[in-house]
Amino acid sequence: DAGVIQSPRHEVTEMGQEVTLRCKPISGHNSLFWYRQTMMRGLELLIYFNNNVPIDDSGMPEDRFSAKMPNASFSTLKIQPSEPRDSAVYFCASSFGTTTGELFFGEGSRLTVL
Amino acid sequence: AQSVTQPDIHITVSEGASLELRCNYSYGATPYLFWYVQSPGQGLQLLLKYFSGDTLVQGIKGFEAEFKRSQSSFNLRKPSVHWSDAAEYFCAVGAPGGGNKLTFGTGTQLKVEL
Repeated sequence: DAGVIQSPRHEVTEMGQEVTLRCKPISGHNSLFWYRQTMMRGLELLIYFNNNVPIDDSGMPEDRFSAKMPNASFSTLKIQPSEPRDSAVYFCASSFGTTTGELFFGEGSRLTVL
Repeated sequence: AQSVTQPDIHITVSEGASLELRCNYSYGATPYLFWYVQSPGQGLQLLLKYFSGDTLVQGIKGFEAEFKRSQSSFNLRKPSVHWSDAAEYFCAVGAPGGGNKLTFGTGTQLKVEL
């Protein structure tokens, strides 16, 4: 079975450019999470959706970040404009239900902003 | 707010030796507790979880963890480490009814010497 699929795996861009990260959750899962991982701050929850509806976006750093989930099989995380401090690995995870605690993670998108 | 502390950033053990990774949490009641493992270049994978009941929980790959309410701890153990266990280990806490929203610790990097 396919796991959580993220694209691109690696992205190098210049400051000021728009970045779009994509995620396809596991079929049948109804919760989706975006995490950011850096050496300094570890794993931070940015936003999560339940049944395609954003439930908690308190972790989104600022207005430059936005996330959408137009349907149950696709989500995007957009950064516009990007800055060097946005360099990190961005993980998407999905889960079934709301009480299992088991998140299934994608392999991550490594973003480098020059 | 819930939080997790993993006091050891790096740990090195010899293959065949026992392992204990420490995790302390902060939460007003009994939380849901988890250990995840991350291999290089990969997403996180669930090792085990504690919701309630028996305070000693078994997970995959021969790992176990013990919940100690009096110490607010959830330490991960393995009797005999294999070289393939080298990875980064994350403790996480979730609130019952919190919709699978997890807060992760900063991780412990495990190195296994042959």
